[in-house]
Amino acid sequence: DAKTTQPNSMESNEEEPVHLPCNHSTISGTDYIHWYRQLPSQGPEYVIHGLTSNVNNRMASLAIAEDRKSSTLILHRATLRDAAVYYCILSGTYKYIFGTGTRLKVLA
Amino acid sequence: DAMVIQNPRYQVTQFGKPVTLSCSQTLNHNVMYWYQQKSSQAPKLLFHYYDKDFNNEADTPDNFQSRRPNTSFCFLDIRSPGLGDAAMYLCATSSRETQYFGPGTRLLVL
Repeated sequence: DAKTTQPNSMESNEEEPVHLPCNHSTISGTDYIHWYRQLPSQGPEYVIHGLTSNVNNRMASLAIAEDRKSSTLILHRATLRDAAVYYCILSGTYKYIFGTGTRLKVLA
Repeated sequence: DAMVIQNPRYQVTQFGKPVTLSCSQTLNHNVMYWYQQKSSQAPKLLFHYYDKDFNNEADTPDNFQSRRPNTSFCFLDIRSPGLGDAAMYLCATSSRETQYFGPGTRLLVL
């Protein structure tokens, strides 16, 4: 199974953009790149996903490297409610394996 | 709203006493998953079903079993819970490209 590598923690000031990196050097051609986030005592929540092209939605943007070996989740304006653990996940054939995640702290 | 439902949210059991956790979905997805999540760790995939096809992860202990009687329901059976099995258990479903999680059941083993 392809694995992801993320920094353990990051900090951001409120109202500023946040770039959360993820390395996935063993990604296969059919693996989707997903981002989920998890608040304390809740199930993971879908943020965004993509295959090859950059993606935007109301929550975030996903920038995927041309060789697909890394990606970056971009929160355009961090709020206190964005403080969570963010997981970068590769999926192939319906199998989703979580990496260790990045704990994002947002400073007021 | 279509969703993934887990009951109960908290389950207390005794050491060695079998326990069953329940999950249901209204999304009509073919694939359902069970994850175990211990404190400050990422969710760990235990197994998943594609329709009735059961896929066990190689490192999932035999103590953990699962049943999927129909598309909507999936159960996690822990035959003889140990103290180390205390965790949050997450159920999820997936469409072709996205996974949807329930709120989880927190299991306490006394």
